[in-house]
Amino acid sequence: GQQLNQSPQSMFIQEGEDVSMNCTSSSIFNTWLWYKQDPGEGPVLLIALYKAGELTSNGRLTAQFGITRKDSFLNISASIPSDVGIYFCAGPVNGQNFVFGPGTRLSVLP
Amino acid sequence: DAGITQSPRHKVTETGTPVTLRCHQTENHRYMYWYRQDPGHGLRLIHYSYGVKDTDKGEVSDGYSVSRSKTEDFLLTLESATSSQTSVYFCAIADLGYEQYFGPGTRLTVT
Repeated sequence: GQQLNQSPQSMFIQEGEDVSMNCTSSSIFNTWLWYKQDPGEGPVLLIALYKAGELTSNGRLTAQFGITRKDSFLNISASIPSDVGIYFCAGPVNGQNFVFGPGTRLSVLP
Repeated sequence: DAGITQSPRHKVTETGTPVTLRCHQTENHRYMYWYRQDPGHGLRLIHYSYGVKDTDKGEVSDGYSVSRSKTEDFLLTLESATSSQTSVYFCAIADLGYEQYFGPGTRLTVT
């Protein structure tokens, strides 16, 4: 089945730094979703992308739908301690069936 | 926050026993999903429902069954629990779009 890869697997950054992570697939996706999961909680939707080349922001977060439709990128500017968590990308396969990437674990050092 | 609750939130059970997890929504969303989350695997789809009594298998459905007799409830049953089913289970809901909303999770330990 379709699989998503995320990189990096984990990252440690200083508070105030910018963060970049990406998600890639061997197959084309028509929609990319980015979620964040805080420790002990369920994932929360951050950004949804529906069009190749689309760039969408949500506060300090910016996500892009890759032109090839096989990748997506998430950037966080000026990181703060509450950005800590796991970031997942996801995409629909077979209609309303979804596949998730393995996640990027972000740690923010004060 | 979307109105999704899961029960129980924590459960410890013995190998071979049946276990049922419940997901309840107050949003009247059409689609409901059960995922399991394990270290290094992210979220993997077990089963999903696209309407009352309409369900389909996901990536890791072996050993699990589901039922949806009402729009608001989606039950996940482990017919005979095994240690490999120790995991955190998440329910999610979605309406006509692709945006899913997740419940708080159920931590299941099979001893």
